[in-house]
Amino acid sequence: QGQLVQSGSELKEPGASVKVSCKASGYILTSHGLNWVRQARGQGLEWLGWINTYSGNPTYAQGFTGRFVFSLDTSVSTAYLQISSLRAEDTAVYYCARDLRSRGSYYMDVWGNGTTVTVSS
Amino acid sequence: QSALTQPASVSGSPGQSITISCTGTSSDIATYNYVSWYQQHPGKAPKLMIYHVNYRPSGVSNRFSGSKSGNTASLTISGLQAEDEADYYCNSYTSSSTWVFGGGTRLTVL
Repeated sequence: QGQLVQSGSELKEPGASVKVSCKASGYILTSHGLNWVRQARGQGLEWLGWINTYSGNPTYAQGFTGRFVFSLDTSVSTAYLQISSLRAEDTAVYYCARDLRSRGSYYMDVWGNGTTVTVSS
Repeated sequence: QSALTQPASVSGSPGQSITISCTGTSSDIATYNYVSWYQQHPGKAPKLMIYHVNYRPSGVSNRFSGSKSGNTASLTISGLQAEDEADYYCNSYTSSSTWVFGGGTRLTVL
């Protein structure tokens, strides 16, 4: 079935960078794409983009180019989200979610446990 | 891509049925049968409840059903139970090959 396990909470100062990890188990990471979704406190879900884990090609949603970078380390079945030049408004829970479009199924079936990123001085 | 439109809140009594609407555009819901619904309890990750408009994943109660008409999708929960109280989000694939979520609906079981 598969599981996604994310790294622990992060507290960063404005202007710093953070790297969130998402480790896949129970399935082969490169067999399905991976989305990144964030949720500010008390707010809704916001899609940041996705990475084609087979080709390594990332796609970023509008407003999330430049400071946001998706990457992979297939040797350890892990995807990463790096955010640079952190701002207070980046404070949120960040989720990874499996994307089944490679199999002709268009939905996110498995979600990570979420990583809380807090940006504060 | 603007967020899909959902009501901020709905409520119902145990045993009743409720419906949550999700309105999109010709670039998403109206064009694709790739609407999914997610349930989120406080402090938890979202959980897939409906995919491809009206399909339920294994393990999801048949009290949950989905439908679509034009640019509006709907989630219906019948026989409301206390554990259904949660936030619900719709999601659709778009003509830009991206995803868009609804703003979320808080379901209160009275």
